[in-house]
Amino acid sequence: ILNVEQSPQSLHVQEGDSTNFTCSFPSSNFYALHWYRWETAKSPEALFVMTLNGDEKKKGRISATLNTKEGYSYLYIKGSQPEDSATYLCAFIIQGAQKLVFGQGTRLTINP
Amino acid sequence: KAGVTQTPRYLIKTRGQQVTLSCSPISGHRSVSWYQQTPGQGLQFLFEYFSETQRNKGNFPGRFSGRQFSNSRSEMNVSTLELGDSALYLCASSLWDRVVDEQFFGPGTRLTVL
Repeated sequence: ILNVEQSPQSLHVQEGDSTNFTCSFPSSNFYALHWYRWETAKSPEALFVMTLNGDEKKKGRISATLNTKEGYSYLYIKGSQPEDSATYLCAFIIQGAQKLVFGQGTRLTINP
Repeated sequence: KAGVTQTPRYLIKTRGQQVTLSCSPISGHRSVSWYQQTPGQGLQFLFEYFSETQRNKGNFPGRFSGRQFSNSRSEMNVSTLELGDSALYLCASSLWDRVVDEQFFGPGTRLTVL
C-alpha cells in the first residue's frame, strides 16, 4: 500500500512570516509529484508538477523542492498572506500507474 | 475556457438507494478521474477513464462503478448506498497524455446518505 505523508497536519503562521511543510513518499518507482492548493469552498488547484530529482519550482512567493532519492518534497511560502490560507496537498504518482495517491494535506492558517 | 463541472452539487439519499453523479471535463481533456473525500481522510482515488476506457481503479467495492462517454463526459454510480458513502466526490480532468499532466478539479458533489 502506497503511503504519502504530509507534516505538519496543521499550521498557524503570522502574516508576513515564511513557512514550509513536508511531503514524504516512497522513494522507489517514483514517477511524479503534484502539489495542490485547496481553499475552503473552492476546488483543488494545481501548484506544481515535479518529475526530476533536484527539481525546484517557483510560482510567486511559493516554491517547492524535490528529493526523489530520499522520498520527500518541501513546499515553501515566503511572506505569508491571508490569501495563502488553504489546505496544501501533495500527490504521488508511481511508475506505470495512471493515478495520484494523495497525502492528507497540511492545513495552513495565516493570522493577520 | 469553461472549467470542470459536476452535477448535482448536493444530494441526499437513503441507505440502499443508488446514485449517479456526472462530470463534464474541460473541453479537449480526455482523462477523467474520480476521488472520494470523507472527514479525516485525504482524497481517495476511485478510478480513472481515458477515451472511454477505465485505466486504473482504486480500492473500492464493486458498488462503485463508472463510465466515460465518447464526448469525455463521465458518470459515477454507487449502488446500495451505505452511511459510510457520505462524502465529497470530486472529479478531475487532464490531458493525461504523459501521466504527469496537472489535474483540473471540479467543485464536487456532496453526497449525504441517511
